[in-house]
Amino acid sequence: QKEVEQNSGPLSVPEGAIASLNCTYSDRVSQSFFWYRQYSGKSPELIMSIYSNGDKEDGRFTAQLNKASEYVSLLIRDSQPSDSATYLCAVNSNSGYALNFGKGTSLLVTP
Amino acid sequence: GAGVSQSPRYKVAKRGQDVALRCDPISGHVSLFWYQQALGQGPEFLTYFQNEAQLDKSGLPSDRFFAERPEGSVSTLKIQRTQQEDSAVYLCASSSSGSGNEQFFGPGTRLTVL
Repeated sequence: QKEVEQNSGPLSVPEGAIASLNCTYSDRVSQSFFWYRQYSGKSPELIMSIYSNGDKEDGRFTAQLNKASEYVSLLIRDSQPSDSATYLCAVNSNSGYALNFGKGTSLLVTP
Repeated sequence: GAGVSQSPRYKVAKRGQDVALRCDPISGHVSLFWYQQALGQGPEFLTYFQNEAQLDKSGLPSDRFFAERPEGSVSTLKIQRTQQEDSAVYLCASSSSGSGNEQFFGPGTRLTVL
């Protein structure tokens, strides 16, 4: 099973700042990359998917993918206290369907 | 529309008991996945169905774990002779196609084995 690495945090940012979450993976075959948000005691919620190199923006969220460096990131602009959660990076496995998850980065947005 | 539903939401079992966890995927989703999430960890893949066919069960931790999806819709994950190490949240996800597509998770079943 290929590894997906994330800094566990906690990452603390002030309200209104940009939060930057990073993820590295170790399988050059991977084609699909996802960011999930998980609030404490809840299940993962899909917030972004990205399939090709470059940036993908959706509202306050931007996903960045660099396949050559095996690196995917998530930027959250104008961070809000409601963004405080664990963010999981997921990469499709070499089988193409199952997802390999990192352990997640805990984000705390302080008012 | 309705999302993925799971039942029960919480299950407490005595060691050695059998349990059955149910997942009802998003209507029309052909792909269904089971994951196990331990506290402080990311979800770990258990098994995958495309319609009624179980295409991958490589993540099932032992032969005490069994999953089925007989009619290509609802799925059941069964754990026989539960052990304390089986305590975790069991997550079901569905997707509109099998490869590389977005997976949507249900609320999970929190299993505690005493």
